[in-house]
Amino acid sequence: SQELEQSPQSLIVQEGKNLTINCTSSKTLYGLYWYKQKYGEGLIFLMMLQKGGEEKSHEKITAKLDEKKQQSSLHITASQPSHAGIYLCGADVHNTGNQFYFGTGTSLTVIP
Amino acid sequence: GAVVSQHPSRVICKSGTSVKIECRSLDFQATTMFWYRQFPKQSLMLMATSNEGSKATYEQGVEKDKFLINHASLTLSTLTVTSAHPEDSSFYICSAPHWDSINYGYTFGSGTRLTVV
Repeated sequence: SQELEQSPQSLIVQEGKNLTINCTSSKTLYGLYWYKQKYGEGLIFLMMLQKGGEEKSHEKITAKLDEKKQQSSLHITASQPSHAGIYLCGADVHNTGNQFYFGTGTSLTVIP
Repeated sequence: GAVVSQHPSRVICKSGTSVKIECRSLDFQATTMFWYRQFPKQSLMLMATSNEGSKATYEQGVEKDKFLINHASLTLSTLTVTSAHPEDSSFYICSAPHWDSINYGYTFGSGTRLTVV
């Protein structure tokens, strides 16, 4: 079952614009992961957040996990065509270590 | 770092035949392996979780007799798509959780693109 909802489902932005992708769960997340992918290709690990309120940045990408550990956002500053792809959040929502689920995905297109 | 090797990367098979996909953990022991399927423009859907030495756990709606999973050793898990049909054409990817010196993480295979003709 898809227990992580992402929004928006797809996003088209002009190069240079900022954007935010959200990932929401009805349950507490035990480790929230962000990945980038192109369909039919492997996953690129971006960041992992564990603590409520945690924020991490890498180059122009910043990810945050809210205090309740039920929502995370991924923010891209000054987007570039190289940022285009599918962004996926993932988490073990049951804290059993037995299942790792992905969010519904967000398809990002950056127009030069 | 931890590596999961997945083979084949691409496979084309005839309708009605079976295809086996392998995932090997190269430098760690994978007691658990997750198997996912992805259709175009969709996210990765968890199909099943395999555990070394026990039966796999399948997600709701996934046919266990069609998607046979075997976790033969601590470094090898296989997914066999039996009697494949064109609707089974998809991208399949595996993942194994592991601990490094500090963190708990997930390592993914590079995926297998299956085309059934």
